[in-house]
Amino acid sequence: EDQVTQSPEALRLQEGESSSLNCSYTVSGLRGLFWYRQDPGKGPEFLFTLYSAGEEKEKERLKATLTKKESFLHITAPKPEDSATYLCAVQTSGTYKYIFGTGTRLKVLA
Amino acid sequence: EAQVTQNPRYLITVTGKKLTVTCSQNMNHEYMSWYRQDPGLGLRQIYYSMNVEVTDKGDVPEGYKVSRKEKRNFPLILESPSPNQTSLYFCASSLSGLATDTQYFGPGTRLTVL
Repeated sequence: EDQVTQSPEALRLQEGESSSLNCSYTVSGLRGLFWYRQDPGKGPEFLFTLYSAGEEKEKERLKATLTKKESFLHITAPKPEDSATYLCAVQTSGTYKYIFGTGTRLKVLA
Repeated sequence: EAQVTQNPRYLITVTGKKLTVTCSQNMNHEYMSWYRQDPGLGLRQIYYSMNVEVTDKGDVPEGYKVSRKEKRNFPLILESPSPNQTSLYFCASSLSGLATDTQYFGPGTRLTVL
């Protein structure tokens, strides 16, 4: 069964304290792995798509990487405005469905 | 402004009273989808639609109906709501449903079934 697991569930960082969020996946074939940001009371907002192992993408303080079994979202020198829930999702080969993980709640303290 | 809109944003209803949550997008997207979000379970896909008159089940379709009569609209219908359908619902759309397309989400509808 296709599955996406995110860890940790919650993470508290001091401003400037870099860290990584993990998304491990088990799928029959990967079309794409996606990262979203969700602020309280709002819909998820797209961040990145990764397609194959070894791929990396960056946006401001965020960098997403992909291996054959997991993806990491690295946050460098985070700021309080980076506080949000970060969601990982996959789309598997032969389908147009999306499977989401349960997310990581990130709190960055000033 | 390119957006996905949902109505209503908040709804409290009683068991068994049919309801419809509307979803509309102004980006000429082919692919539209409904999700529910529950604490500890994350976002789960209910139904998706690749185009007008083409719909398919997601992972949690039981108790829900959808229709896609027009490209821009994708209503979610609960014919006999039950308390276990109390949840936060999101509509989303993308150009074609391919992994290369960005999926845009609406603001959410918080549904409570008493």
